Amino acid sequence: GAGVSQSPRYKVAKRGQDVALRCDPISGHVSLFWYQQALGQGPEFLTYFQNEAQLDKSGLPSDRFFAERPEGSVSTLKIQRTQQEDSAVYLCASSAVPGNSPLHFGNGTRLTVT
Amino acid sequence: GENVEQHPSTLSVQEGDSAVIKCTYSDSASNYFPWYKQELGKGPQLIIDIRSNVGEKKDQRIAVTLNKTAKHFSLHITETQPEDSAVYFCAANQAGTALIFGKGTTLSVSS
Repeated sequence: GAGVSQSPRYKVAKRGQDVALRCDPISGHVSLFWYQQALGQGPEFLTYFQNEAQLDKSGLPSDRFFAERPEGSVSTLKIQRTQQEDSAVYLCASSAVPGNSPLHFGNGTRLTVT
Repeated sequence: GENVEQHPSTLSVQEGDSAVIKCTYSDSASNYFPWYKQELGKGPQLIIDIRSNVGEKKDQRIAVTLNKTAKHFSLHITETQPEDSAVYFCAANQAGTALIFGKGTTLSVSS
């Protein structure tokens, strides 16, 4: 596909459940970012990969959040023991080269924790 | 770390008018300033960006200006159309760091 693909588009989880969100970046893109977007807010940085290396995870809100990109392409964001405050849209973005080059975003996964 | 402030939070204009959205940033090391447009249910889409070695950049009806001394940059949309209605985000970063976004401006263009 031509763009960043995220699945599922919608996820409803009961509080306490674990969830896994998938991101397929644009083929060949080196850098991959995860952002969290609360309703009516701007995207907030969670974590950043360059190939398979997680270079920055300073934005992850707690140790319940974990991200991986084992082969340097597809990435998974996992949230353990979900809480209501985790409800948000989770956006994935990729860029062709490291550094400040344009980010291409997917359409996100809307997570609702009930 | 970087902090980006964006104003106004909402903006309503008549079709054909101009719209201006302003952002300030805190980190003088930031050198990349993109603008994104987000429509309902979709991810942000890059519409224009500017780097710190340039003061202004235009692309048809859209322009961005940058004042590094004052640490602010602005998006200008001329001859607005109803399809320009969306949420617009500014962002800033330096190489090797994550883009930091403003809180967004909801632009409504009425015909």
